[in-house]
Amino acid sequence: AQSVTQPDIHITVSEGASLELRCNYSYGATPYLFWYVQSPGQGLQLLLKYFSGDTLVQGIKGFEAEFKRSQSSFNLRKPSVHWSDAAEYFCAVGAQFFGNEKLTFGTGTRLTIIP
Amino acid sequence: DTGVSQNPRHKITKRGQNVTFRCDPISEHNRLYWYRQTLGQGPEFLTYFQNEAQLEKSRLLSDRFSAERPKGSFSTLEIQRTEQGDSAMYLCASSPGQGHEQYFGPGTRLTVT
Repeated sequence: AQSVTQPDIHITVSEGASLELRCNYSYGATPYLFWYVQSPGQGLQLLLKYFSGDTLVQGIKGFEAEFKRSQSSFNLRKPSVHWSDAAEYFCAVGAQFFGNEKLTFGTGTRLTIIP
Repeated sequence: DTGVSQNPRHKITKRGQNVTFRCDPISEHNRLYWYRQTLGQGPEFLTYFQNEAQLEKSRLLSDRFSAERPKGSFSTLEIQRTEQGDSAMYLCASSPGQGHEQYFGPGTRLTVT
């Protein structure tokens, strides 16, 4: 069974500082990996995805993530955060074969930005 | 707006009542997914459809829950005899097919009193 661990429940960073959110996954083959962001009371917006190829993927809003197979990790990074980045961030893993297309999400990391 | 839409956005009901939620996916997306999200947790998969066929159901989907997608377009999720534990955000997502990302709607927040 696939699973995702986001070890940090809550992270606080200063505006302009760099950010790294951790994600570890468990899956028996090469997974599909995603980062979504959720603002309070809202649905999920896709930040970026990894399916194959280049292990460093670029997303929207200046975010990037790196897939490291040896560490089963897919950490999200941003070089300089903005106050508008405050939200809940979810890492998700998906299977690559037909009939098992559900996403399995981590419990999320809440990001607070201080001025 | 051509994104995934869900109605209603909020629903308050009394325990024991039935409720139905609707999801309209992005046009021409043949996959449609339902997830449930409780406070402080990530979304949990409930079920998904390819066109009108329901291909997978989670063990979370008890026999009080039923989902349909009769014409392969919009979908409904019905909960019968609601319980307080059903209080959650119900999220719908759609996808153009296998190997593509899922696009989420704004969700329906259910409160069972």
